Amino acid sequence: GQSLEQPSEVTAVEGAIVQINCTYQTSGFYGLSWYQQHDGGAPTFLSYNALDGLEETGRFSSFLSRSDSYGYLLLQELQMKDSASYFCAVREWKDSNYQLIWGAGTKLIIKP
Amino acid sequence: DAGVIQSPRHEVTEMGQEVTLRCKPISGHDYLFWYRQTMMRGLELLIYFNNNVPIDDSGMPEDRFSAKMPNASFSTLKIQPSEPRDSAVYFCASTLDRGTPSTDTQYFGPGTRLTVL
Repeated sequence: GQSLEQPSEVTAVEGAIVQINCTYQTSGFYGLSWYQQHDGGAPTFLSYNALDGLEETGRFSSFLSRSDSYGYLLLQELQMKDSASYFCAVREWKDSNYQLIWGAGTKLIIKP
Repeated sequence: DAGVIQSPRHEVTEMGQEVTLRCKPISGHDYLFWYRQTMMRGLELLIYFNNNVPIDDSGMPEDRFSAKMPNASFSTLKIQPSEPRDSAVYFCASTLDRGTPSTDTQYFGPGTRLTVL
């Protein structure tokens, strides 16, 4: 079956670096996405990895290893505004149609 | 573009009443998704459309839920009759499929917070 595993909660200190892991088990894998959601807000897209390796966008980076069915989101120079939930999602094709399978989300708590 | 538009933003209704949630996707997007989010169950995909055609409605909880997309710029999610356990935030999202491999981005609306008393 399809499943995504990510930690339910991660705590870090302002200015530090934090890594949020995501392991997946799906069929027809095409790519791994990351979304950020602040309390009371809507999910917003952060990054997408279709190929192995690291993608960097400012303070955020995302990594994918297709052979290990594993990816992570790396947040550097943490700021209080980064306190949010982070979701990994796998893009796959099923019956010739697009699907996005979502993880349960990781709540990132940042302490001053 | 104004982004994905949802209405109403908040809805409070009584058990047994019909509820209709509305969504206008981003112009030109060919996929539209309806999600439900609760603390207990997280983000759940209810149904999605491709070019106005429902593709997968396996996430729709039961027959009380129905969704339509009469044209490329409008979709509705209807609950009839509503029950207290339907209380949640309902999100609509849209995306443009550019083929694979490609950047994948779903654009979410602000959500409708539904409370069924």
